[in-house]
Amino acid sequence: QKEVEQNSGPLSVPEGAIASLNCTYSDRVSQSFFWYRQYSGKSPELIMSIYSNGDKEDGRFTAQLNKASQYVSLLIRDSQPSDSATYLCAGPVTPYNTDKLIFGTGTRLQVFP
Amino acid sequence: DAGVIQSPRHEVTEMGQEVTLRCKPISGHNSLFWYRQTMMRGLELLIYFNNNVPIDDSGMPEDRFSAKMPNASFSTLKIQPSEPRDSAVYFCASSKDTQYFGPGTRLTVL
Repeated sequence: QKEVEQNSGPLSVPEGAIASLNCTYSDRVSQSFFWYRQYSGKSPELIMSIYSNGDKEDGRFTAQLNKASQYVSLLIRDSQPSDSATYLCAGPVTPYNTDKLIFGTGTRLQVFP
Repeated sequence: DAGVIQSPRHEVTEMGQEVTLRCKPISGHNSLFWYRQTMMRGLELLIYFNNNVPIDDSGMPEDRFSAKMPNASFSTLKIQPSEPRDSAVYFCASSKDTQYFGPGTRLTVL
């Protein structure tokens, strides 16, 4: 199993819908996670971090962490065409040290009008 | 704040040539990271520094790659000799607690 695994997509959703992006991780990855958004030709940008089991909401974004299932997700409510990008999930290898991150290969999201 | 600065933004070179990529981290950040991104392998950490000291270089592909951080405001990643398989986008990132990425250098080795 890859250490951090994502479906490459593309995930296509209509404008206004909820986009659900998922990520699974191996035992080697410590259990805090980061979601980065990367527009085509641009650099990754941090949009959410989650450190404990459960949900964390920030505007239209909700991150969900399920440690028992080794699963983390990002929900985007009221999706907009401007949300179209690749979303990268990342987790640190070492507990309590978020310096060394392992990234998934990303899920490409397409929001169509 | 200007953010993480990388140069050059694009580099095209021929196989066998030396390539040097440069990075200026955000002022006050104490960690600096070099990543490589390709379609096949995604985003890979090559090396990272903390307080100018290399902490983990296990991601450096081979001896052709080297990185230095002579002071808190400058780092280089050097590839010598370059090969076509080194073609990728190279990102520098810096952090105090959250990683911020530079715009990247798109390297093409012919």
